[in-house]
Amino acid sequence: QQQVKQSPQSLIVQKGGISIINCAYENTAFDYFPWYQQFPGKGPALLIAIRPDVSEKKEGRFTISFNKSAKQFSLHIMDSQPGDSATYFCAASRVDQFYFGTGTSLTVIP
Amino acid sequence: EPEVTQTPSHQVTQMGQEVILRCVPISNHLYFYWYRQILGQKVEFLVSFYNNEISEKSEIFDDQFSVERPDGSNFTLKIRSTKLEDSAMYFCASIRTGQPFEKLFFGSGTQLSVL
Repeated sequence: QQQVKQSPQSLIVQKGGISIINCAYENTAFDYFPWYQQFPGKGPALLIAIRPDVSEKKEGRFTISFNKSAKQFSLHIMDSQPGDSATYFCAASRVDQFYFGTGTSLTVIP
Repeated sequence: EPEVTQTPSHQVTQMGQEVILRCVPISNHLYFYWYRQILGQKVEFLVSFYNNEISEKSEIFDDQFSVERPDGSNFTLKIRSTKLEDSAMYFCASIRTGQPFEKLFFGSGTQLSVL
């Protein structure tokens, strides 16, 4: 059973544009929703995370929007840069268990 | 920032052979994980380990897999008799206390190729 569903699988954005990646979950027991960024040959690294008691969290150009009633959350990358080209994974967590989405390969074209 | 260290970075083995993947989690972390990723796709949970025992495992983690913390620093994943479909990138990860909202730290991975 896929605990977290992520879309799109791949995304191409022009430099300066907005990148949007969406995730949905089923288990209402999840209480922590991190996003991980992965560059080729490297392990995923925490980018930004949100708890379900807030609807939005912003860190620099990266924003998470969270809709608890719809059980959906999304990552927005404003003013996308070529250096943002990577694979992005959403995740849902409860205490010590983490479940990852299928990943989105983002390419930002100069 | 502290790091999770994995060795080797690449491992090539013949089908049916045993392999051991090694990890050194962050020193004050208590929860350890193995994940795998096939062809840069989905990160799949294999097993979590706490207090010297498995706390949870996935359907992938069958009798061919085992984990061990042989000393105070290393955390290993053993595949007893490798199959072609075991070819993947294996990631070790750790968190400090297992409390809610903790950051999961990943190592750089071991690319396993089974021929």
